[in-house]
Amino acid sequence: AQSVTQLGSHVSVSEGALVLLRCNYSSSVPPYLFWYVQYPNQGLQLLLKYTSAATLVKGINGFEAEFKKSETSFHLTKPSAHMSDAAEYFCAVSGLSGTASKLTFGTGTRLQVTL
Amino acid sequence: DAGVIQSPRHEVTEMGQEVTLRCKPISGHNSLFWYRQTMMRGLELLIYFNNNVPIDDSGMPEDRFSAKMPNASFSTLKIQPSEPRDSAVYFCASSSPGQGRAGANVLTFGAGSRLTVL
Repeated sequence: AQSVTQLGSHVSVSEGALVLLRCNYSSSVPPYLFWYVQYPNQGLQLLLKYTSAATLVKGINGFEAEFKKSETSFHLTKPSAHMSDAAEYFCAVSGLSGTASKLTFGTGTRLQVTL
Repeated sequence: DAGVIQSPRHEVTEMGQEVTLRCKPISGHNSLFWYRQTMMRGLELLIYFNNNVPIDDSGMPEDRFSAKMPNASFSTLKIQPSEPRDSAVYFCASSSPGQGRAGANVLTFGAGSRLTVL
């Protein structure tokens, strides 16, 4: 079975500060890992994904994540937070086998950006 | 591309009533997923279809829930009878075959249907 754990249900940063959202995964096979963002009253949108190519993955809106096998981590970062980044962020894992992207999501981290 | 379209966006009903949620996936996408989001349980996969065939319904909570995909452009999630604990946001998502392994394909989510059962 595969799973992801997101540390911290709420993270608050000042505008312009570094954003770090933590995600650790558990998988018996090499995983595919994703970060999705959910703005209020909207569905989830893909930020970035790791599919065993480069370990440092760049996504939209200045976000990036680094796959670290030794730490079983896939933390999401952004050098400088913007007010528009306030949203809920979900880490998700999908396995190599199977016929479709059956994603298992973490519990989410709500990012608050303050002035 | 209009994206994944879900209806209704909001539904308020009374306990015991039948609820039908609808989803139109993106044209050309061959996989469709139904997720449920609640504060207590987060995002849960209820069922997914591949080429209109249900592949995994292990997440469907109980027999009161059923899902169908009669064709590539339409799916329904039905709850009968509904109960207050079914109150949640229900998301439909779809994905395309893509170029690589299926597990790497990206899901595109609809805006969700917010269900309130009184």
